[in-house]
Amino acid sequence: AQTVTQSQPEMSVQEAETVTLSCTYDTSESNYYLFWYKQPPSRQMILVIRQEAYKQQNATENRFSVNFQKAAKSFSLKISDSQLGDTAMYFCAFMKTFTSGTYKYIFGTGTRLKVLA
Amino acid sequence: NAGVTQTPKFQVLKTGQSMTLQCAQDMNHNSMYWYRQDPGMGLRLIYYSASEGTTDKGEVPNGYNVSRLNKREFSLRLESAAPSQTSVYFCASKRDRGQETQYFGPGTRLLVL
Repeated sequence: AQTVTQSQPEMSVQEAETVTLSCTYDTSESNYYLFWYKQPPSRQMILVIRQEAYKQQNATENRFSVNFQKAAKSFSLKISDSQLGDTAMYFCAFMKTFTSGTYKYIFGTGTRLKVLA
Repeated sequence: NAGVTQTPKFQVLKTGQSMTLQCAQDMNHNSMYWYRQDPGMGLRLIYYSASEGTTDKGEVPNGYNVSRLNKREFSLRLESAAPSQTSVYFCASKRDRGQETQYFGPGTRLLVL
């Protein structure tokens, strides 16, 4: 069974600094997708970034980038120039595609990030 | 374009009561999902629907039923609510292959006393 592990329940970072959130996963699949979602206090789940496993190049979205290590099954999120608005819970997620054409997502338990002024 | 909407936003139930959580999306997505979020456990899949007229169990389906009323709507029903079902419930939707991103609703906070 697929699992997603986020080993850092809570983290904090000074405003304008860089922080890295870790995520590891376990799968026997060769093709899959990985995601980072942000959940601010409003509880809305917001997609931060996604990575296709068949792509070797790490995904980037403005101040957010990932370090995708497929062999190590690691998918960390780096936030550069941290801003107060980045304070949120961050979830790592794995998506599996079934031969039937259905999709399932497995989420990690989350990392609560606090950006300090 | 409202995306994914959920009603109600907050609900208090007594043990044994029933209720239906409503979810609708206006993005013409085929796949829809219901999750529950509990502290320290991330999001766990309750049920999902790959297309109109089909539903399948997820990780934690016990105590719940779903209906995919049409392409837009996917409801979650608690027939006899239990305190263990106190949680935040999220609905999500996704287009078909080629668009793997899920889009989430704002969540429904449910308290069962």
